[in-house]
Amino acid sequence: DARVTQTPRHKVTEMGQEVTMRCQPILGHNTVFWYRQTMMQGLELLAYFRNRAPLDDSGMPKDRFSAEMPDATLATLKIQPSEPRDSAVYFCASGFWTVNTEAFFGQGTRLTVV
Amino acid sequence: GQQVMQIPQYQHVQEGEDFTTYCNSSTTLSNIQWYKQRPGGHPVFLIQLVKSGEVKKQKRLTFQFGEAKKNSSLHITATQTTDVGTYFCAGRTSGTYKYIFGTGTRLKVLA
Repeated sequence: DARVTQTPRHKVTEMGQEVTMRCQPILGHNTVFWYRQTMMQGLELLAYFRNRAPLDDSGMPKDRFSAEMPDATLATLKIQPSEPRDSAVYFCASGFWTVNTEAFFGQGTRLTVV
Repeated sequence: GQQVMQIPQYQHVQEGEDFTTYCNSSTTLSNIQWYKQRPGGHPVFLIQLVKSGEVKKQKRLTFQFGEAKKNSSLHITATQTTDVGTYFCAGRTSGTYKYIFGTGTRLKVLA
């Protein structure tokens, strides 16, 4: 049963610490998305990659957030330094993009910055 | 930038009643997708609409794409407790792989 795997599922960290979230997309998928979900802002697109190349990261605060795909089986989202306003659920989703295909979401990483 | 709004924000219905959520985009869309997120869960794909005026049905769910491709709706007939969750539309404009999610409608079904 193919699925997107995200680690860790939960993370509590102190303000100022670095946070790294990892995502293993479904094998064969060539597009990876990072979303952030909060009660106030809903589901926001932070960045997405196609064939490991970043296509758009305009939704991401550039000064503290970075997203990479070191290889086809791993996508990372880093926050350095973290702030309390970064507390949210971060979802990774993957898909095989030809035309008009669905995104498969991971279970999410619930981040709390205290 | 592109915005996608949904109404209502919340809806409580008695089991067996119908439910409709509406999705409106500030820009013309290439296609629209609908997702359902159960409480504590992650968004799960329901359906995709591509053509102007398209209507698709999945059992008790009916999805519609507006003629101008700027709005869409999801209608659930005779809701059940298993329909509880938040329903999101996600729109894509041509020339991009980027989907912008709507604000979501949270459905609560009272038994």
